[in-house]
Amino acid sequence: AQRVTQPEKLLSVFKGAPVELKCNYSYSGSPELFWYVQYSRQRLQLLLRHISRESIKGFTADLNKGETSFHLKKPFAQEEDSAMYYCALMVSGGGADGLTFGKGTHLIIQP
Amino acid sequence: DAGVIQSPRHEVTEMGQEVTLRCKPISGHDYLFWYRQTMMRGLELLIYFNNNVPIDDSGMPEDRFSAKMPNASFSTLKIQPSEPRDSAVYFCASSLVRVAGELFFGEGSRLTVL
Repeated sequence: AQRVTQPEKLLSVFKGAPVELKCNYSYSGSPELFWYVQYSRQRLQLLLRHISRESIKGFTADLNKGETSFHLKKPFAQEEDSAMYYCALMVSGGGADGLTFGKGTHLIIQP
Repeated sequence: DAGVIQSPRHEVTEMGQEVTLRCKPISGHDYLFWYRQTMMRGLELLIYFNNNVPIDDSGMPEDRFSAKMPNASFSTLKIQPSEPRDSAVYFCASSLVRVAGELFFGEGSRLTVL
């Protein structure tokens, strides 16, 4: 079965410092990877997906199939980036089958 | 659109009681998902529906859990009888098939079973 691992439960960095949230997955096929974010008192929402190769709010994530990783990065953290971040994996092609989520990383940006 | 609407937001009940959680997906969405979130296990997919039909319920923990989707605008997740270990936040989410992987979540129902 597929699995998503986020090794850090909590990550604290200072404002302006680079951020990297780690995500590793286990799946033998071709996965689709996503990052979801939950800001305080807001709903869990999609941040970005690997297939789009986009930068959202300064965040990027590259799928590394060799290392089975999909780390989320931002060069300069901002206080409003403080939130819970979840990496998610979708294994079936087409359709909208359920996502498998990691346990999440709580990112705290200190002023 | 108000997004995915869940009720109740909070529920406190005693062991053995029946619990019913409700969800109204975003109008026009094809898929509906029920997730459970706990500190120990994170977000777990319980069951999902496509066009009101249950597709995969392999995540439902045991027979005490059941879910229905009688029409495109309403779904329920029922626990009978409830147990303390069912205490968690239950999320409902919906999505469009053509935007695979983009789930829209409700605010969640926090269940406490005493």
